[in-house]
Amino acid sequence: AQKVTQAQTEISVVEKEDVTLDCVYETRDTTYYLFWYKQPPSGELVFLIRRNSFDEQNEISGRYSWNFQKSTSSFNFTITASQVVDSAVYFCALTAGYSTLTFGKGTMLLVSP
Amino acid sequence: DAGVTQSPTHLIKTRGQQVTLRCSPKSGHDTVSWYQQALGQGPQFIFQYYEEEERQRGNFPDRFSGHQFPNYSSELNVNALLLGDSALYLCASSLRRTGSSSYEQYFGPGTRLTVT
Repeated sequence: AQKVTQAQTEISVVEKEDVTLDCVYETRDTTYYLFWYKQPPSGELVFLIRRNSFDEQNEISGRYSWNFQKSTSSFNFTITASQVVDSAVYFCALTAGYSTLTFGKGTMLLVSP
Repeated sequence: DAGVTQSPTHLIKTRGQQVTLRCSPKSGHDTVSWYQQALGQGPQFIFQYYEEEERQRGNFPDRFSGHQFPNYSSELNVNALLLGDSALYLCASSLRRTGSSSYEQYFGPGTRLTVT
């Protein structure tokens, strides 16, 4: 069985602070894919990044960066210089190919001015 | 390029009634998955349709059923509604073409169902 744990239920920061959202996963599959999605108040899940289990390179996209460590089964997401528009619920998810996405419970990020 | 669309946006039903939700996948996608997202929770997988057949199913009762049409669009039906069925229902589309290395699922805006 697959499992995704996002231990942080809610994080509050002030604009321009850096913030890291944690994600720990469990799977018996050797090939799997990890995702981060953003869910603004409108409800639609917005795809942010996909990472496969064979690629442990960290990735940076603008103010966003992701740290994938197979040794600790973690796939953490950092927002640098946070902005109010970053306020949303962020979900980490896991899939082993064509199988279903298993989501964590999400972390609500509140960025205040 | 049209993204995933869902209808209706909101729906209010009474306990015991039946409801049908609709989803049109992103252009070029052939697989539709349905998820239920209760308030404050992550989405939970209901089932996935590919080639007009249910391919995988999550831990949901038979009251939840679905269908996929030849144009890849899909319906989710829920019978004998319970208060606990109140949730945001998300549809996701993906491409299951052999050899595809992309397992990204693109989500629609969801249908918010309220059961009173």
